[in-house]
Amino acid sequence: EAQVTQNPRYLITVTGKKLTVTCSQNMNHEYMSWYRQDPGLGLRQIYYSMNVEVTDKGDVPEGYKVSRKEKRNFPLILESPSPNQTSLYFCATAPTQGRGTEAFFGQGTRLTVV
Amino acid sequence: KQEVTQIPAALSVPEGENLVLNCSFTDSAIYNLQWFRQDPGKGLTSLLLIQSSQREQTSGRLNASLDKSSGRSTLYIAASQPGDSATYLCAVRAGNSGYALNFGKGTSLLVTP
Repeated sequence: EAQVTQNPRYLITVTGKKLTVTCSQNMNHEYMSWYRQDPGLGLRQIYYSMNVEVTDKGDVPEGYKVSRKEKRNFPLILESPSPNQTSLYFCATAPTQGRGTEAFFGQGTRLTVV
Repeated sequence: KQEVTQIPAALSVPEGENLVLNCSFTDSAIYNLQWFRQDPGKGLTSLLLIQSSQREQTSGRLNASLDKSSGRSTLYIAASQPGDSATYLCAVRAGNSGYALNFGKGTSLLVTP
C-alpha cells in the first residue's frame, strides 16, 4: 500500500529543545516537501527536495532544516524551536519531479512549542 | 507569485442538496490542479486531480472542472450527505519553488441532516 508516514503524530516540546519530525515514503518518489498549516494562513511550503542530496527553500524556511540522504526519507529538523513554530505539519511526495503528477500527503504532525 | 482563492470560506447546506465550491488562481501557467478534503485536525485526502490539458474530472458524486484561461476551477458535489462535512482545499501546481502546490485557504462545508 502506498504510504507517506510521519512521526510523531503529536508532539509537545519546550522552547529551544531540538527536535526532528520524520517523513518516509514507500512509493520511490523523487519529490518530497514539507508544509505547515496555520489558521487563517493556509498551507505554506517550508522546504522541498527534488531528489537525493537536492534540497531548497520554500516560502517559510526560517527556523527549519532538512536533509535528503535517502530517497525514501525527508526529515524536518527544528534546531531551536520557538512558540511561533507551533503548527500542523505535513509531508508531501510526488513522482517524476512533481510537475504534472498527483501529490500524496502524510497524516500530519501537530507540534506545540511552549 | 501564484495566489489561490476559495469562495465561499464557509457553507452550510441541508442534506441532499447539490453544491458548488469555487477556486480561482492568478497565474494560468499551471501544471495541474488538485482538490483535497480535510477533516478537522486530520490529514489531506486527495479527491481529484485535473491536468492543465483537461477540462474536468469525475469521481462518484464529485465533479471538478478547470478553466485554465480564466483561472477558475469548481468542485461540484451532488446529493450532499452529512459525511461530506469537511474543509475542501484547492491547490495548483506551478513552476515556483520546485513545482510547489499553492493552496487556497479552503471552504468549510457543513451538511446538516
